[in-house]
Amino acid sequence: DVKVTQSSRYLVKRTGEKVFLECVQDMDHENMFWYRQDPGLGLRLIYFSYDVKMKEKGDIPEGYSVSREKKERFSLILESASTNQTSMYLCASSWNEPETQYFGPGTRLLVL
Amino acid sequence: GQNIDQPTEMTATEGAIVQINCTYQTSGFNGLFWYQQHAGEAPTFLSYNVLDGLEEKGRFSSFLSRSKGYSYLLLKELQMKDSASYLCAVRGGNNRLAFGKGNQVVVIP
Repeated sequence: DVKVTQSSRYLVKRTGEKVFLECVQDMDHENMFWYRQDPGLGLRLIYFSYDVKMKEKGDIPEGYSVSREKKERFSLILESASTNQTSMYLCASSWNEPETQYFGPGTRLLVL
Repeated sequence: GQNIDQPTEMTATEGAIVQINCTYQTSGFNGLFWYQQHAGEAPTFLSYNVLDGLEEKGRFSSFLSRSKGYSYLLLKELQMKDSASYLCAVRGGNNRLAFGKGNQVVVIP
């Protein structure tokens, strides 16, 4: 079974704090993704990575950065959290072929 | 750009059949995925279509027509546990997945 884990299920942070969200997959997947999901907006891609040390911007990268130092781990960083970054954050991973994405349980982040 | 359209909500009775539609407009097409998402949980993969036609997997079937930019997910013998949001996602020419906003299915006894 594919296993994608995220470091926290729930997180509360204050405006201006630096926030790290970690994602680990155990299936040797090449590709990893970070999404956020908001009511009425659906899933939106923030960043993705096709290989170690590689990263590409998704549709809404502003205010975020990522790090992929090891194949199994993909981190999302909020350099200075703001209230509009309150959301559900979902990590996913996939092989190159087939490119079915498998999701982690999600981190619900509240920024006060 | 990519545009994925799904109806927002539908209600169906336990034991019935429900069809969830998805229409899309994308730059290029490299496959269509259906995911199920229960409230507060992560999406889980249901099906994948890249060629026209019907793919059957137990109680769930998915259909694709590339020329019409249309897919549907068919759920048969509905069970209460099928109450969830069903997400349609299309892999476009840039190989990224674009998700629809999801169709909330409510199953009633």
